[in-house]
Amino acid sequence: DQQVKQNSPSLSVQEGRISILNCDYTNSMFDYFLWYKKYPAEGPTFLISISSIKDKNEDGRFTVFLNKSAKHLSLHIVPSQPGDSAVYFCAAQSYGKLTFGQGTILTVHP
Amino acid sequence: NAGVMQNPRHLVRRRGQEARLRCSPMKGHSHVYWYRQLPEEGLKFMVYLQKENIIDESGMPKERFSAEFPKEGPSILRIQQVVRGDSAAYFCASSPSLASGELFFGEGSRLTVL
Repeated sequence: DQQVKQNSPSLSVQEGRISILNCDYTNSMFDYFLWYKKYPAEGPTFLISISSIKDKNEDGRFTVFLNKSAKHLSLHIVPSQPGDSAVYFCAAQSYGKLTFGQGTILTVHP
Repeated sequence: NAGVMQNPRHLVRRRGQEARLRCSPMKGHSHVYWYRQLPEEGLKFMVYLQKENIIDESGMPKERFSAEFPKEGPSILRIQQVVRGDSAAYFCASSPSLASGELFFGEGSRLTVL
């Protein structure tokens, strides 16, 4: 019962180009969606979030888009930098609890 | 302005022993969550606690696992009679309120069962 899915295990992008990470969900009760970044042997670090009543939120190089009818969200990173290389987790929140996707490994090549 | 503090960072136990993982939330945060990350997998919700109360334990295995968040002191995740399949990274997160959106995560405790 995977309520939040990240179907791409990995993504490789050239420095300066756009990285697009995708996430699908099934539960209509989720009220917040978040993206976390994780380095090996560290805890997840919050990146950006979006309320279910919005369709876009932007913070510097990071933009999250939400398409509620398709139950789909995406994270755009532009321009991508080598330091962005990490595992990215999408998460959906309901009653405080976060449900995470499986993660996408992003590699940004110099 | 310390973040979420977890200890120990690494714990090695033999099969059948007990493991205790501790989590001190960020100052002012009264909501604590425990997540587990098995090798090559995402983070799985285990339990959500407020001070002295378990709010949601739907992700906790039915046996051997328990969690508490006492009035004073850190939250404790306790695993009795550990087995090799318990080897994982256990992450604690905290938030100031139910509807705040973001959870703040600790660095994790890595349990290895020999």
